Amino acid sequence: DTGVSQNPRHKITKRGQNVTFRCDPISEHNRLYWYRQTLGQGPEFLTYFQNEAQLEKSRLLSDRFSAERPKGSFSTLEIQRTEQGDSAMYLCASSSGTSGGRDTQYFGPGTRLTVL
Amino acid sequence: GENVEQHPSTLSVQEGDSAVIKCTYSDSASNYFPWYKQELGKRPQLIIDIRSNVGEKKDQRIAVTLNKTAKHFSLHITETQPEDSAVYFCAASRGTGGYNKLIFGAGTRLAVHP
Repeated sequence: DTGVSQNPRHKITKRGQNVTFRCDPISEHNRLYWYRQTLGQGPEFLTYFQNEAQLEKSRLLSDRFSAERPKGSFSTLEIQRTEQGDSAMYLCASSSGTSGGRDTQYFGPGTRLTVL
Repeated sequence: GENVEQHPSTLSVQEGDSAVIKCTYSDSASNYFPWYKQELGKRPQLIIDIRSNVGEKKDQRIAVTLNKTAKHFSLHITETQPEDSAVYFCAASRGTGGYNKLIFGAGTRLAVHP
């Protein structure tokens, strides 16, 4: 499968624990996005990477959240001291960086986080 | 702030009928408008997109129209089939700096009944 992959697919954790998710983008895609999707809502933008540089972070991304893309390939999203409100589907998307504004984002299957 | 409103939230049609989903965006600088289809338990998949220099785009049974003045864009599905049943999301983006931070609508759950 050459699409975007995410691991784990499901994560159940207790409040206060730290969790880390991984996203592997489509090979050679230099752009990587993280979104969060709650039940009955559309995905909400969290952060964006161009290669290894994190160029934009949403105000939704509190200081408990941190994302990295150390070598410009895979990315990790860590949530520290999880809260029940963090329960959601975390989606990763990647794109090739086509110029001119039409830069299709391909989504991964997501990691569903449940905080008890 | 940036916002995309999507209507209706649910839509039920008979197989063969047409379905129309409408979105309104707030950021007048938006210039890229993709539509994603998300089946239950699966990832969002792009079905069609349109840029602001085009008023309409069609791909087989799917078409999208854009009215930049009114900041409206719509998805039209003709001759609906049961496999069209899914949640559809519209999105808008500025394409600032060459990348597309997508602002999504809340989604429309489409049910096509045989």
